[in-house]
Amino acid sequence: NAGVTQTPKFRVLKTGQSMTLLCAQDMNHEYMYWYRQDPGMGLRLIHYSVGEGTTAKGEVPDGYNVSRLKKQNFLLGLESAAPSQTSVYFCASIGGSTPYEQYFGPGTRLTVT
Amino acid sequence: GNSVTQMEGPVTLSEEAFLTINCTYTATGYPSLFWYVQYPGEGLQLLLKATKADDKGSNKGFEATYRKETTSFHLEKGSVQVSDSAVYFCADNHGNNRLAFGKGNQVVVIP
Repeated sequence: NAGVTQTPKFRVLKTGQSMTLLCAQDMNHEYMYWYRQDPGMGLRLIHYSVGEGTTAKGEVPDGYNVSRLKKQNFLLGLESAAPSQTSVYFCASIGGSTPYEQYFGPGTRLTVT
Repeated sequence: GNSVTQMEGPVTLSEEAFLTINCTYTATGYPSLFWYVQYPGEGLQLLLKATKADDKGSNKGFEATYRKETTSFHLEKGSVQVSDSAVYFCADNHGNNRLAFGKGNQVVVIP
């Protein structure tokens, strides 16, 4: 049981490049979330999903897209990266017998130059 | 909407000292309240929770009581260890199990 995994762990992009971050969970959780963490800002919700095939906007969705084609995977896309998207990105999931507890992945550190 | 506010700034203290981190919330209704901890280089982990007024969450020597009258959920530990050095986040739930996090407090425990 790997919990929540994220790939890649680190990435450096140039302005205007695109990339996809992958989040996978093996706990059969319904809900999944993408956050970004910036110094002094805490965690801010980008997008979330309440089940396979669904997505919804969070607090800071601009510049990002997401897809949840399979229940276990939640993809975060950056179509045209900007330096303001330099951050640490965390994926989380929730469900099952612990409905109040979000399980977090280890994070992806993204730098946009 | 819901929001949580944590006290400003990092917290530095000596081993075996008493730790308090303040958290207040503004919410319509009675949200569930949480403390999450982030150790260096890792994602967040749930430390403790309280789902209704007057509940006390506790784990690993940490405690927090859901106080409706002061809209607070302060985190306390009586005797901290070096291994407690981490960032601590207060959070409340919105709906669809979405969490709103405070800005976090860096805690540094000096031997």
